[in-house]
Amino acid sequence: AQSVTQLGSHVSVSEGALVLLRCNYSSSVPPYLFWYVQYPNQGLQLLLKYTSAATLVKGINGFEAEFKKSETSFHLTKPSAHMSDAAEYFCAVSDGYGYSTLTFGKGTMLLVSP
Amino acid sequence: KAGVTQTPRYLIKTRGQQVTLSCSPISGHRSVSWYQQTPGQGLQFLFEYFSETQRNKGNFPGRFSGRQFSNSRSEMNVSTLELGDSALYLCASSIGPPVSSYEQYFGPGTRLTVT
Repeated sequence: AQSVTQLGSHVSVSEGALVLLRCNYSSSVPPYLFWYVQYPNQGLQLLLKYTSAATLVKGINGFEAEFKKSETSFHLTKPSAHMSDAAEYFCAVSDGYGYSTLTFGKGTMLLVSP
Repeated sequence: KAGVTQTPRYLIKTRGQQVTLSCSPISGHRSVSWYQQTPGQGLQFLFEYFSETQRNKGNFPGRFSGRQFSNSRSEMNVSTLELGDSALYLCASSIGPPVSSYEQYFGPGTRLTVT
């Protein structure tokens, strides 16, 4: 069975500061990992995904994540936060085979202050 | 290209009633997945349809059902509504499985409130 743990239900940063959102996964097979963002009253939008190619994955809006197998982690970072980054972020895992599904973490709300 | 559309966007129902939610995928997408999002349980997978067949099902009671039509549009139905069914129901479409190869595009969701 797969699972995802996101550390911190809320993370607060100042505009221009580093953003770090933590995600640890558990999977019995090599995982496929995803980060999604959800703005208020909207659906989820894919930020980036890891599918066993490069361990450092670059996504949209300046976000990137690094897959670390030894730490079973896939943390999301952005060098400089912008007010428009305020949203809820979800990490998800899939085993990637056939009709496999996404298993989501509980989400982390990112708050950005001026 | 139009995105995933879900109707209605908001719905209020009474305990014991049933409800049908609709999802129109992006043109050309043949896979539709449904998720339930609640503050307590987060995002939970309900079911996935591909080419009119349910290919995968989450751990939900039989009161939750769905179907997919030949044009890939999908509906989900919840019978005998309970207060705990209050949630945001999200639909996602993709060209097909697996999720590792084809991005899932999410709709804005239907907010169901059960009173």
